[in-house]
Amino acid sequence: QKEVEQDPGPLSVPEGAIVSLNCTYSNSVFQYFMWYRQYSRKGPELLMYTYSSGNKEDGRFTAQVDKSSKYISLFIRDSQPSDSATYLCAMRGGGADGLTFGKGTHLIIQP
Amino acid sequence: NAGVMQNPRHLVRRRGQEARLRCSPMKGHSHVYWYRQLPEEGLKFMVYLQKENIIDESGMPKERFSAEFPKEGPSILRIQQVVRGDSAAYFCASSLRTGINTEAFFGQGTRLTVV
Repeated sequence: QKEVEQDPGPLSVPEGAIVSLNCTYSNSVFQYFMWYRQYSRKGPELLMYTYSSGNKEDGRFTAQVDKSSKYISLFIRDSQPSDSATYLCAMRGGGADGLTFGKGTHLIIQP
Repeated sequence: NAGVMQNPRHLVRRRGQEARLRCSPMKGHSHVYWYRQLPEEGLKFMVYLQKENIIDESGMPKERFSAEFPKEGPSILRIQQVVRGDSAAYFCASSLRTGINTEAFFGQGTRLTVV
């Protein structure tokens, strides 16, 4: 079992829809959770980060963490074609210096 | 304030040659991380460096790969005697401090192709 599981997609939704992106993890040492957005041939861009279980909102984005279920989500409201990208979940914990990433979900927002 | 700068953006090497990838962190950042992204794979941590010190190289292959972050100048990831399996995108990230809640900012990556 991989440490972080993320459905690679592609996930295709119409413009304006609510998007739900998810990751599950197996190692309970992870305490710090992030979502990155990566456009094609570009570097990852940090979108959101959170430490605790619950929701964190920033504009159209909401990050949700459920540590008891080892499940994290990113919701995108009022999705735009410019949101089309690969979304990577990442996490850190247990004294590790590096981040552990999911494989990424390729999201396509249809105009 | 420029972001994390990586060069070259694209690098082509023949099998057996050496590849040198450079990373200049964001201004004021003294912590550098290297990651590798293979096709259809997620980013994998390779090494974490502070100025003049390798702190964590648990993700580095045991042979042919080395990294440094000198007192002056960029961090260098060096791959000796490259093989086709080294073809990947290599990303550098930097942070202002260390710790579990540290934000890491990524560069645009160097895409290495071994022919």
